[in-house]
Amino acid sequence: AQSVTQPDIHITVSEGASLELRCNYSYGATPYLFWYVQSPGQGLQLLLKYFSGDTLVQGIKGFEAEFKRSQSSFNLRKPSVHWSDAAEYFCAVGRRASGAGSYQLTFGKGTKLSVIP
Amino acid sequence: DSGVTQTPKHLITATGQRVTLRCSPRSGDLSVYWYQQSLDQGLQFLIQYYNGEERAKGNILERFSAQQFPDLHSELNLSSLELGDSALYFCASSGGGLGVSTEAFFGQGTRLTVV
Repeated sequence: AQSVTQPDIHITVSEGASLELRCNYSYGATPYLFWYVQSPGQGLQLLLKYFSGDTLVQGIKGFEAEFKRSQSSFNLRKPSVHWSDAAEYFCAVGRRASGAGSYQLTFGKGTKLSVIP
Repeated sequence: DSGVTQTPKHLITATGQRVTLRCSPRSGDLSVYWYQQSLDQGLQFLIQYYNGEERAKGNILERFSAQQFPDLHSELNLSSLELGDSALYFCASSGGGLGVSTEAFFGQGTRLTVV
């Protein structure tokens, strides 16, 4: 069964500093990987996804993530954090299940990001 | 706005009761997913429907059931509610399985409080 580990429950950074959120996954085949962001009281918004190809993927809001198969990691990065980036971030692995249209996402526990002005 | 609509936004009910949560997917999306988010369990996949048929099942209790109707909207029924069922319930939709659609769009969620 697939699993996702986000080792950091809570990270605090200063505005303008760089950010890296860690994500490790366990999955037997080539994974489909995602990062979602959840602002307080809101649903989840997709930041970026990796399916295949270039292992460095660009997302919205200036985020990027790098897929490293050898390390089973898909870390999220941003060179300069803005106060509006304060939110909870979820890494997820998706897999095709049996049957047409079958698809499952497994989420990590999330990392809460606080930004100091 | 993701295009996925969930109603109601908030729901307070007593233990032992039954509630129905409703989800309207994005226009054209065939798949609907239900997730439960709680402080102790995090985001847990409950169930997926594709074009009216159940396709994948996760950690869904027997007291919970779901269906997807011909117009593709979905309902999640929660019965014999317990305090521990208090959580945020998300619906998401996508165009189909992976390879057909590349992402799931999430609604704002329904916050269920069982008292």
